[in-house]
Amino acid sequence: SQKIEQNSEALNIQEGKTATLTCNYTNYSPAYLQWYRQDPGRGPVFLLLIRENEKEKRKERLKVTFDTTLKQSLFHITASQPADSATYLCAGPGGFKTIFGAGTRLFVKA
Amino acid sequence: GAVVSQHPSWVICKSGTSVKIECRSLDFQATTMFWYRQFPKQSLMLMATSNEGSKATYEQGVEKDKFLINHASLTLSTLTVTSAHPEDSSFYICSARPPKSTDTQYFGPGTRLTVL
Repeated sequence: SQKIEQNSEALNIQEGKTATLTCNYTNYSPAYLQWYRQDPGRGPVFLLLIRENEKEKRKERLKVTFDTTLKQSLFHITASQPADSATYLCAGPGGFKTIFGAGTRLFVKA
Repeated sequence: GAVVSQHPSWVICKSGTSVKIECRSLDFQATTMFWYRQFPKQSLMLMATSNEGSKATYEQGVEKDKFLINHASLTLSTLTVTSAHPEDSSFYICSARPPKSTDTQYFGPGTRLTVL
């Protein structure tokens, strides 16, 4: 079955460093991948969408890559801040639906 | 970005009662809305797809008689958890898809349901 997998372990980094989160997909070739941010007790908030023919996409301190050979997307936050602490979800299309990964919790220490 | 609201944001009820959760798209018309359920530290699990003016499409394993969905207008979908039990306690999140979009959905803030 189509799967989106993210590292379920929390990622702890120091403020100012670059956080890199990984998303792997299996058993299908998504036309695009999306990244969302979710804070505790809140709904997800859309951050970025990257299509399969785009190698990289940037938005302010965020950068996303899409490697169809590795079947992987990387999500980078540069110059991370404590306010970036949240769970980040990777998602891809599954027909008319959306397939979500379990998310990676990011903790940025001051 | 587009705004989707949910009401209530949290609810506590007794076992056996029914609870209604509303999902509204505030600044766009949504022909399609989605209802998700999320357990702690787990990802979103799609429960059903709600289409305005027609019956909802439920995912496998989701009881349609227990989770009643009504999408009566282009801006409102409701989820009613009937005869709620403690195992129904969860975080319920809706999302709305703008017209003519296939890859965009805007999420509501979620509703925390606790069944005692």
